[in-house]
Amino acid sequence: DTGVSQNPRHKITKRGQNVTFRCDPISEHNRLYWYRQTLGQGPEFLTYFQNEAQLEKSRLLSDRFSAERPKGSFSTLEIQRTEQGDSAMYLCASSLEVGKNIQYFGAGTRLSVL
Amino acid sequence: AQSVAQPEDQVNVAEGNPLTVKCTYSVSGNPYLFWYVQYPNRGLQFLLKYITGDNLVKGSYGFEAEFNKSQTSFHLKKPSALVSDSALYFCAVREGGYNKLIFGAGTRLAVHP
Repeated sequence: DTGVSQNPRHKITKRGQNVTFRCDPISEHNRLYWYRQTLGQGPEFLTYFQNEAQLEKSRLLSDRFSAERPKGSFSTLEIQRTEQGDSAMYLCASSLEVGKNIQYFGAGTRLSVL
Repeated sequence: AQSVAQPEDQVNVAEGNPLTVKCTYSVSGNPYLFWYVQYPNRGLQFLLKYITGDNLVKGSYGFEAEFNKSQTSFHLKKPSALVSDSALYFCAVREGGYNKLIFGAGTRLAVHP
């Protein structure tokens, strides 16, 4: 059983550059979530997909952020014109639609904006 | 809106002693509560959840949690702590129809030999 996979694990970029992260959920999971975690805080919800449909977005997700899940499998999170305040751990989680509704998390992508 | 609070930034306990990590919640309606653990450079791992039923929930690695409706608490417990339990623990509540999680700020557990 492969878990949730996120790539890259670490990303260092300069302010103003665009970055893209990828999340591969557990294969049979049709729900996919993105969270952001800053130092000393718990994860904060960013957005949610059910299959390929993006059904909810947080106010935290500014216009510079966009997420996709084109075929209902893997998902990408893109940040355009990165700012230093975007530095954080970006976590992806997936779950089944029914049943225990437990979210399983990937190891995250740590973004550092210089 | 739903919220959870973890009043302790850090909990220190000696190996072999019982441990408690505190969590209180504020919800409208019935709470769906979770505990996750985070080890360095790793994602969050699910420990246990309360949906309904028995107030004492048993989870992974010998952890359990006690749901107390009158005190709006969901404290995480373990009868005998291990050094390997040292990690960051997060309490969370489910919000909304899409099951997004609202997390507390986390409590760092340090178990000393």
